[in-house]
Amino acid sequence: GESVGLHLPTLSVQEGDNSIINCAYSNSASDYFIWYKQESGKGPQFIIDIRSNMDKRQGQRVTVLLNKTVKHLSLQIAATQPGDSAVYFCAGKNTGNQFYFGTGTSLTVIP
Amino acid sequence: DAGITQSPRHKVTETGTPVTLRCHQTENHRYMYWYRQDPGHGLRLIHYSYGVKDTDKGEVSDGYSVSRSKTEDFLLTLESATSSQTSVYFCAISRDRGPDTQYFGPGTRLTVL
Repeated sequence: GESVGLHLPTLSVQEGDNSIINCAYSNSASDYFIWYKQESGKGPQFIIDIRSNMDKRQGQRVTVLLNKTVKHLSLQIAATQPGDSAVYFCAGKNTGNQFYFGTGTSLTVIP
Repeated sequence: DAGITQSPRHKVTETGTPVTLRCHQTENHRYMYWYRQDPGHGLRLIHYSYGVKDTDKGEVSDGYSVSRSKTEDFLLTLESATSSQTSVYFCAISRDRGPDTQYFGPGTRLTVL
């Protein structure tokens, strides 16, 4: 079936460094992707999205890269701050309009 | 949380009892969704609604029913709760079914003993 998965369950970075969180997906027909941030005890919070007709999209301190050739997307967080500590997961939508969610990478920012 | 509330936020119940979770939105979005989140799994869709009285099943719908009598409210019912339904339940909303962002509520932690 459809799937998206993250490469690493945990990631630790020093405060101020850049973070890169990766995600792979299985369905080449997926046409829309979202990155979510989930803090402990809270619901997922939208960070940034990208459509399949784009390779890159930038937000505030975040960039999403989409490589359709290898079915891979990444979330880059610039100048990582303690408040960025959370679980990050990707979601992909296929042409059947259903979202498939990854299990998440837990990001820990070391002061 | 984009004008989405869920109630209750925490519930402990016993096997075999009925449970109803409520999602309320103030965004007037057409689409509403119920997901469950379990360790080792990504969010999984239980049911969704595309309008008042219009609902459809997701990938893990067995043991769950839903109702939507008003645009702003989407109810998830466990007719006879089982321990396998212990989970965190999230409601989400979106304007459209197509490539459109889903916004999530704060979640309900349900424990079935």
